[in-house]
Amino acid sequence: SQQGEEDPQALSIQEGENATMNCSYKTSINNLQWYRQNSGRGLVHLILIRSNEREKHSGRLRVTLDTSKKSSSLLITASRAADTASYFCATDGGSFQKLVFGTGTRLLVSP
Amino acid sequence: DVKVTQSSRYLVKRTGEKVFLECVQDMDHENMFWYRQDPGLGLRLIYFSYDVKMKEKGDIPEGYSVSREKKERFSLILESASTNQTSMYLCASSKGFFDQPQHFGDGTRLSIL
Repeated sequence: SQQGEEDPQALSIQEGENATMNCSYKTSINNLQWYRQNSGRGLVHLILIRSNEREKHSGRLRVTLDTSKKSSSLLITASRAADTASYFCATDGGSFQKLVFGTGTRLLVSP
Repeated sequence: DVKVTQSSRYLVKRTGEKVFLECVQDMDHENMFWYRQDPGLGLRLIYFSYDVKMKEKGDIPEGYSVSREKKERFSLILESASTNQTSMYLCASSKGFFDQPQHFGDGTRLSIL
């Protein structure tokens, strides 16, 4: 079962620009997480936002959560070539039992 | 830093073979997971374990089994490998409840010929 759907599927920008990725989900959640995956590697946790939070920051990352619209966004400011990766949202589906991942957004940042 | 180590980065096996994928974590995490990742399908949960000798089916357990005899080690077993099990397999661990971040290994790219 797929809970999170990322949009767009792919995004290509220049270094220094901002990148925004969106995630929509279907059922109520307790929290939502964002992960990054570099090519051929495992996923790395970026940020977790709980259902009672609306916005969270971590360095150049800003995550928003709108539970009324069942959506979240990840903003990467001042992108760098090293940000090139796939980005996934994951939700718990309100069950605390497991995470369900979306299919990801592929971000390409060109120098 | 949490380290999750998967025994092989690349593995090639033949149809019908019994295949073992091993995963070890060094942070005393209670929960461990096995996922497979396929293009266009994202990550899908195969099995997870919340304690030694405990296991729960994920979304796609068919054709797989798992073993957790020690807290730090979680093994995925393909009882009789088939070509449709060719995939990237990712192991992860987390501490406490499922609202904690998961820490992933680098994956095993498994090809079944």
